Amino acid sequence: DIVLTQSPDSLAVSLGERATINCKSSQNVLYSSNRKNYLAWYQQKPGQPPRLLIYWASTRESGVPDRFSGSGSGTDFTLTISSLQAEDVAVYYCQQFYGSPITFGQGTRLEIK
Amino acid sequence: EVQLVESGGGLVQPGGSLRLSCVASGFTFSSYWMSWVRQAPGKGLEWVANIKPDGSDKFYVDSLKGRFTISRDNAKNSLYLQMNSLRAEDTAVYFCARRLSDAYSVYDYWGQGILITVSS
Repeated sequence: DIVLTQSPDSLAVSLGERATINCKSSQNVLYSSNRKNYLAWYQQKPGQPPRLLIYWASTRESGVPDRFSGSGSGTDFTLTISSLQAEDVAVYYCQQFYGSPITFGQGTRLEIK
Repeated sequence: EVQLVESGGGLVQPGGSLRLSCVASGFTFSSYWMSWVRQAPGKGLEWVANIKPDGSDKFYVDSLKGRFTISRDNAKNSLYLQMNSLRAEDTAVYFCARRLSDAYSVYDYWGQGILITVSS
């Protein structure tokens, strides 16, 4: 199975500042034939289901604010929130859909400093 | 508006069985792959199973094969998860989720989740 390791486990950022979450895959998730990275990001607030933010490593889902962006390729990926808002407090998960079974990172808890 | 509503959860003894249901609305249910994903208390997400739109193909995480069965009834816009021989480690919130595409497992809509507690 592909193992995704997120860093840090938790993060505290001031309102309006940038937040950066990393996700490292144990295997390459870039599919050579279409040059797409099979990596997604989700946000989960307490008591709620996950919400899809980004897929193909950098494609924002409809309705997701543009302060959320994804980058990276191959085995190393980053989710960036450019200007943290209070409503962004959540746990963030990366997910690979390159291999079966699909797997998720362990999550990164984002809080306000 | 897309909605997924799970039901059937609760407390069950080790070794027991439970059937979860998920009723879908707001989209053409019969056109989408559907999945179950679970989350143990305070833990991360674990994919459980997928089912093809017509129900002809089903896929499971290896650790659950033989104990859990995913199924669907497109006439009732419903997804199911039959869980047998339940263990304490199956305690989790179970989410039904819709796959964004036929071709890949990215989930664009999720139910609110239903808690299963396996305990004597």
